[in-house]
Amino acid sequence: DIQMTQSPSTLSASVGDRVIISCRASQSIGIWLAWYQQKPGKAPKLLVYKASILENGAPPRFSGSGSGTDFTLTISTLQPDDVATYYCQQYKSYSRSFGRGTRVDIK
Amino acid sequence: QLQLQESDSGLLRPSQNLSLSCSVSGASITGGSHSWHWFRQPPGQGLEWIGYIYHTGTTDYNSSLRSRVTLSLDRSRNQFSLKLTSLTAADTAVYYCVAEGPSPVWGHGTLVSVSS
Repeated sequence: DIQMTQSPSTLSASVGDRVIISCRASQSIGIWLAWYQQKPGKAPKLLVYKASILENGAPPRFSGSGSGTDFTLTISTLQPDDVATYYCQQYKSYSRSFGRGTRVDIK
Repeated sequence: QLQLQESDSGLLRPSQNLSLSCSVSGASITGGSHSWHWFRQPPGQGLEWIGYIYHTGTTDYNSSLRSRVTLSLDRSRNQFSLKLTSLTAADTAVYYCVAEGPSPVWGHGTLVSVSS
């Protein structure tokens, strides 16, 4: 199975800061990576798929990059509404797997 | 617009079986444009993939659950279903159905509680 390692596990930043979340796959997954945002009591919300394609309706301050084993999600200017947990997910393998999440809050 | 809705299950007892269905609107489960997945999330924890079923009926399951899980299609109702046997408290989670196609679409989730 493909293991996904996310870092950091928690992140505290100020409004307006640039925030970067990293995700590493245990083997190459090409560009088959998605990023999700999840708020308490809600289903995960897709932000980015195929590593860098912004989902319709996702704010343009979110961007994804990477390929192979190393990926990043960037929030260009952190907003209060971005307080949430973020997950990366690979879908290269039929056995889907997620990172353990990055909790983002406002300093 | 593709939408998914999980059925309710509520409170179950240990050793009972779980049956959930996912109603699909906006696409045919036999159309071949999506694969149909189940995920779950225990309270306060991360996301876990349970398994998928394709329009042909082909399935694959999380190796940790393979002995207890079965996915199936109901073509007449445009639904796909999950059955999980021999429940324990560790199966308490929010269960989500997901359509994977051009971009994934998730249901809202349904809480399943297993307790004596």
